[in-house]
Amino acid sequence: GAGVSQSPSNKVTEKGKDVELRCDPISGHTALYWYRQSLGQGLEFLIYFQGNSAPDKSGLPSDRFSAERTGGSVSTLTIQRTQQEDSAVYLCASSTGGPTEAFFGQGTRLTVV
Amino acid sequence: GNSVTQMEGPVTLSEEAFLTINCTYTATGYPSLFWYVQYPGEGLQLLLKATKADDKGSNKGFEATYRKETTSFHLEKGSVQVSDSAVYFCALSDRGTDKLIFGTGTRLQVFP
Repeated sequence: GAGVSQSPSNKVTEKGKDVELRCDPISGHTALYWYRQSLGQGLEFLIYFQGNSAPDKSGLPSDRFSAERTGGSVSTLTIQRTQQEDSAVYLCASSTGGPTEAFFGQGTRLTVV
Repeated sequence: GNSVTQMEGPVTLSEEAFLTINCTYTATGYPSLFWYVQYPGEGLQLLLKATKADDKGSNKGFEATYRKETTSFHLEKGSVQVSDSAVYFCALSDRGTDKLIFGTGTRLQVFP
């Protein structure tokens, strides 16, 4: 595709369930980023990938959060045993790295009820 | 670690007013600096960038100058329009690691 694609666009889940959020970056982009944007809040850094490696996982809020990237392309962010405070918009972005523009997807709006 | 601090909003202005949104950063080395914008109902998009000290990024009438001595990258526009109403994010990219981190965002509201 022409841009960064995220799925699903909306997800409502019950507290305690696991969820998987998917990101398809722009083809050829080596860097991939995950952020969380809560209502009225800024962009909270979660994790980023260079290729399939994640040099910095320091932003993951707890051990319930994990992410992987395969084939230098698609990435999945998994949240286990979801809690209400996990409700937010999860944004993915990709770039060719360095001082280049990061392109953002439209996000996945996660609601935990 | 690296961080970005920007002024809290909302910033409320009348059309044609002068705009400044302050942004300062903390970083080891010499990061690249960015302003991203999020218009209502849309995704984030790059507004402008600067990759080294004293560089000036500009786009759509907005400007920001990379000031190493004050570790700042303030966003300015001489005459804002209603269509500039959006949330503006300052960001830095750690040179060599590609880690991209953002400030908390500043909401700008421009009234006719």
